[in-house]
Amino acid sequence: DTGVSQNPRHKITKRGQNVTFRCDPISEHNRLYWYRQTLGQGPEFLTYFQNEAQLEKSRLLSDRFSAERPKGSFSTLEIQRTEQGDSAMYLCASSPPATIYEQYFGPGTRLTVT
Amino acid sequence: DAKTTQPPSMDCAEGRAANLPCNHSTISGNEYVYWYRQIHSQGPQYIIHGLKNNETNEMASLIITEDRKSSTLILPHATLRDTAVYYCIVRAHSNDYKLSFGAGTTVTVRA
Repeated sequence: DTGVSQNPRHKITKRGQNVTFRCDPISEHNRLYWYRQTLGQGPEFLTYFQNEAQLEKSRLLSDRFSAERPKGSFSTLEIQRTEQGDSAMYLCASSPPATIYEQYFGPGTRLTVT
Repeated sequence: DAKTTQPPSMDCAEGRAANLPCNHSTISGNEYVYWYRQIHSQGPQYIIHGLKNNETNEMASLIITEDRKSSTLILPHATLRDTAVYYCIVRAHSNDYKLSFGAGTTVTVRA
């Protein structure tokens, strides 16, 4: 399967713990995006990378959130000191350099903070 | 500050055409209309996009009104696998690459 992969698919953590999610984009896709989706809502943009450079961050991305994309390949999203309000589906998407039309989404990581 | 308005839900009979409306009365001249869908427990999937001309691909057709203030996504022969949330998004082809999703329309295809 050459689609966008995300790990883990599910994560349950206790309030106050740190969590890290990984996204592996489609090979040779230079753009990578993170979105968050809560129940009944559409995905909300969090941040965007072009290669290894983080070019935009939403105001939703508080100081407790950090994203990296070393070497312009996979990306990680870390949430420190998790809160119950962080419970959501975290979606990763990627797009190739040749087009900006499509973003290819992964299956997401569902985070539950207890 | 949603740029699009869609009905929250609609039903469609299997085998019939599904017509999904979207209002985007404040669309700018350089903004395209995009449609994505999200099947339960999956990430969103690109369907189609257009600027002002009608567009068709293997998945759907997109009809944009002449004044570009509204559009309709047409699924020509809906199947049970088309049951999903459909999102209408307006987006400029500039450096602003992010997608701004609304709540979408939940389409249920019934046998």
